[in-house]
Amino acid sequence: AQSVAQPEDQVNVAEGNPLTVKCTYSVSGNPYLFWYVQYPNRGLQFLLKYITGDNLVKGSYGFEAEFNKSQTSFHLKKPSALVSDSALYFCAVRDGETRITGGGNKLTFGTGTQLKVEL
Amino acid sequence: KAGVTQTPRYLIKTRGQQVTLSCSPISGHRSVSWYQQTPGQGLQFLFEYFSETQRNKGNFPGRFSGRQFSNSRSEMNVSTLELGDSALYLCASSPQLAGVPLTYEQYFGPGTRLTVT
Repeated sequence: AQSVAQPEDQVNVAEGNPLTVKCTYSVSGNPYLFWYVQYPNRGLQFLLKYITGDNLVKGSYGFEAEFNKSQTSFHLKKPSALVSDSALYFCAVRDGETRITGGGNKLTFGTGTQLKVEL
Repeated sequence: KAGVTQTPRYLIKTRGQQVTLSCSPISGHRSVSWYQQTPGQGLQFLFEYFSETQRNKGNFPGRFSGRQFSNSRSEMNVSTLELGDSALYLCASSPQLAGVPLTYEQYFGPGTRLTVT
């Protein structure tokens, strides 16, 4: 079974500084990886995904993520943090068992990392 | 396109009652998934429907059920509510063609906040 770990419950960063939110994964085959963000009292918003190809994935709002197969990591990054980036971030992996058939959209999420960007 | 809509947004029920939550996916999206979000268990997959058929099911008791209609709208039902069912229930949709994903990301609605007293 697949799993995702987000080792940090909270990350604090000053506005203008680079930010990193960590994620490691475990899957039986090739991983389909995602980052979502959740603002208070809202659903999840899709940020970016890695399916195949370039290890550096660019997404919405200036975020990017680096896929590292040898370290089984998919860390979220942003060169310059904004106060408005403060939110709850989730890493997720798509169920690899159904990937081959193309069907199935089960996502397994990490526990989430609260990002706090301060002035 | 309009996003995923969920109704109602907030709901208060009493233990032992049952509840039905509704989800309308993005137009053209035929896959609908449901997730439960709680502070203790985080985000957990409930089930997924495609073309009115349940395609995946998470590890939840039989009190949790769902269905999908021909217009892709979906409902989930929880019977005999327990205090532990208090959660944010999220619905997500994604586009598929003949059961194969057109893109792999899912688009989430704002959720239904269920409180069981």
